[in-house]
Amino acid sequence: QSVLTQPPSASGTPGQRVTISCSGSSSNIGRNYVYWYQQLPGTAPKLLIYRNNQRPSGVPDRLSGSKSGTSASLAISGLRSEDEADYYCAAWDDSLSGPVFGGGTKLTVL
Amino acid sequence: QVHLVQSGAEVKTPGASVKVSCKASGYTFTNYVIHWVRQAPGQRLEWMGWIDAANDNTKYSQKFQGRVTISRDTSATTAYMELSSLRSEDTAVYYCTRAVAGTPWFDPWGQGSLVTVSS
Repeated sequence: QSVLTQPPSASGTPGQRVTISCSGSSSNIGRNYVYWYQQLPGTAPKLLIYRNNQRPSGVPDRLSGSKSGTSASLAISGLRSEDEADYYCAAWDDSLSGPVFGGGTKLTVL
Repeated sequence: QVHLVQSGAEVKTPGASVKVSCKASGYTFTNYVIHWVRQAPGQRLEWMGWIDAANDNTKYSQKFQGRVTISRDTSATTAYMELSSLRSEDTAVYYCTRAVAGTPWFDPWGQGSLVTVSS
C-alpha cells in the first residue's frame, strides 16, 4: 500500500513558524486534494485543512496549507505549546480507490 | 451536531473475530461514506476500507482483503467493521470516520475502539 512521505519530527520555539512537508505521487497528491489532520495524545485525529488550503471553522488562520505538483506542506505560524501534536497528511489515491496517509510528523514546541 | 459513537474496548484471543460498531447521528446517514482507519500503538494511521451508506458499496485495502467486512444498517444509522483471524499485530485503536465520497475529507471521527489481541 502506497503511503505519503512526511518527516518524522519537527520542532520550533514559541512564536516561530514551522512547516511540515508531505510528498506523494501522480496517483494521489498529483491529481487530488490534500488534507491535514492533528492528533493530540490519546485522542482521535481532527481535521485541520481540507482541499489543500481550506480551514474548517474553528481552525485558526495561523495554520495554512499549500500544494505544488506531487508535494504539499502545512505551515504553522506563531507556534504555541498547544500545537504540540502529531500531524498527518492524506490524499485520495486513484490507483487504490482509497485514501493514503503520511507517516505522521511529531511536532515539538521547545 | 454530527457525532460518531463507537462500541467499547475488546480483548480477543488470536484467531478470533471482532466486530466494532459506529453509531452516527446529526446528519443524513445515507449522504456520506464511512471509512475505518486503525492505529497500532505508536504507529501511523492505516486505512482499512469504506462503505457507501447509500448503496452498500464497499472497498477494502488490499492488506485486509479477505479478513475485513464493513457493513451498515441504515435503519440504525450504524456502520460495522468486522476483522477475522485476529493476530497480535491487530492490536490497535480502530476509528470510524465520515467522509465525502471519493475524498479523505474525514470529519468527524469516532472516539476510537481499542482492540487488544492476546493469548
